[in-house]
Amino acid sequence: SQQGEEDPQALSIQEGENATMNCSYKTSINNLQWYRQNSGRGLVHLILIRSNEREKHSGRLRVTLDTSKKSSSLLITASRAADTASYFCAPSGNTPLVFGKGTRLSVIA
Amino acid sequence: EAQVTQNPRYLITVTGKKLTVTCSQNMNHEYMSWYRQDPGLGLRQIYYSMNVEVTDKGDVPEGYKVSRKEKRNFPLILESPSPNQTSLYFCASSLSGLDYGYTFGSGTRLTVV
Repeated sequence: SQQGEEDPQALSIQEGENATMNCSYKTSINNLQWYRQNSGRGLVHLILIRSNEREKHSGRLRVTLDTSKKSSSLLITASRAADTASYFCAPSGNTPLVFGKGTRLSVIA
Repeated sequence: EAQVTQNPRYLITVTGKKLTVTCSQNMNHEYMSWYRQDPGLGLRQIYYSMNVEVTDKGDVPEGYKVSRKEKRNFPLILESPSPNQTSLYFCASSLSGLDYGYTFGSGTRLTVV
């Protein structure tokens, strides 16, 4: 399977700081997706970056993709308490998405 | 509103009593799937369906059945539930399983005693 591995497992920051989460994967991909999960709720799709793209923005989110290193990063700028959640990356190739264990982000007010 | 609807939201049952968790989507999506989420193990895929009448096993299919008789519905069936199937279950759908984002349901918290 093409499961992504998120790093770090947990991250705690102060409100207003930037949060960076990383994702590594092992196989070639067509795209890579990031999701957010608030405690006990369903995952919410944040952003999809295609393999021929290097960077993509959506509001306070910035995603980068380096296919040569098989890695991606998610940057959340000016974080808020409401950003507290788990974040998952999902590399997508020829099989449906498989999710890892995610990064648990805590934003302290 | 475009959504994936799972029912029930919470369920407590006894070992061996057959149950069905329903999943329905109103977005005309081809792809649907089921996941279970357990502490420390992340989300694990149970079954998925690329289209009507097409289903495939995910990573943890043992003890589960699914059917896809119509595009909008993808029920998860536990013929004889056991305590190790106590978990948080999510249904998801997508235009296709590969190139589009997934929409998730709100989850079903199942406890088997």
